[in-house]
Amino acid sequence: AQKVTQAQTEISVVEKEDVTLDCVYETRDTTYYLFWYKQPPSGELVFLIRRNSFDEQNEISGRYSWNFQKSTSSFNFTITASQVVDSAVYFCALSEPAFDDMRFGAGTRLTVKP
Amino acid sequence: DTEVTQTPKHLVMGMTNKKSLKCEQHMGHRAMYWYKQKAKKPPELMFVYSYEKLSINESVPSRFSPECPNSSLLNLHLHALQPEDSALYLCASSQAAGVGTEAFFGQGTRLTVV
Repeated sequence: AQKVTQAQTEISVVEKEDVTLDCVYETRDTTYYLFWYKQPPSGELVFLIRRNSFDEQNEISGRYSWNFQKSTSSFNFTITASQVVDSAVYFCALSEPAFDDMRFGAGTRLTVKP
Repeated sequence: DTEVTQTPKHLVMGMTNKKSLKCEQHMGHRAMYWYKQKAKKPPELMFVYSYEKLSINESVPSRFSPECPNSSLLNLHLHALQPEDSALYLCASSQAAGVGTEAFFGQGTRLTVV
């Protein structure tokens, strides 16, 4: 069974600090896909990134970066120079081809204080 | 256009009422999803439609009845709900199910059952 663990329930930082959100996954499949979503207070889940299991390249997009390590089954997300607008709940999710769905971790609530 | 539109945004209904939630996308996506999200919890998958056919029903009570009239529309018919069914109901769509494409979410319907 697929499983996603986000051990950090809540994180609070001061603006301009860097912060890393952890995600550990379990799957028996060799082909799978990982995602990060942001959920601001408005409720909509905003897609941030998708990674397939064959692409271990790290990715950077502006202040966001992702570190995918198959050896530790982790797909961590770093926000550099955090801003108040980054305050939200962040979900890591896993999808396997055998399942027509996407399963979410419990989420990490990030609060960035001015 | 990466928009998934859900109506209504808010709904209050009595336990004897019948109501419907609506979801629409015009991205040509062939998979559509209903998720239920309780406060401070991750989204939980309810139903998946793939090419307008129900492919996953996560043992959802029959008081929730999904319908996919065409590839752009997804409805969730509600009848005889319980107060514990109060939650944020999220609709999502993706290019196809089971191939790891990212899902795009609507803003959700905040449902309160009184």
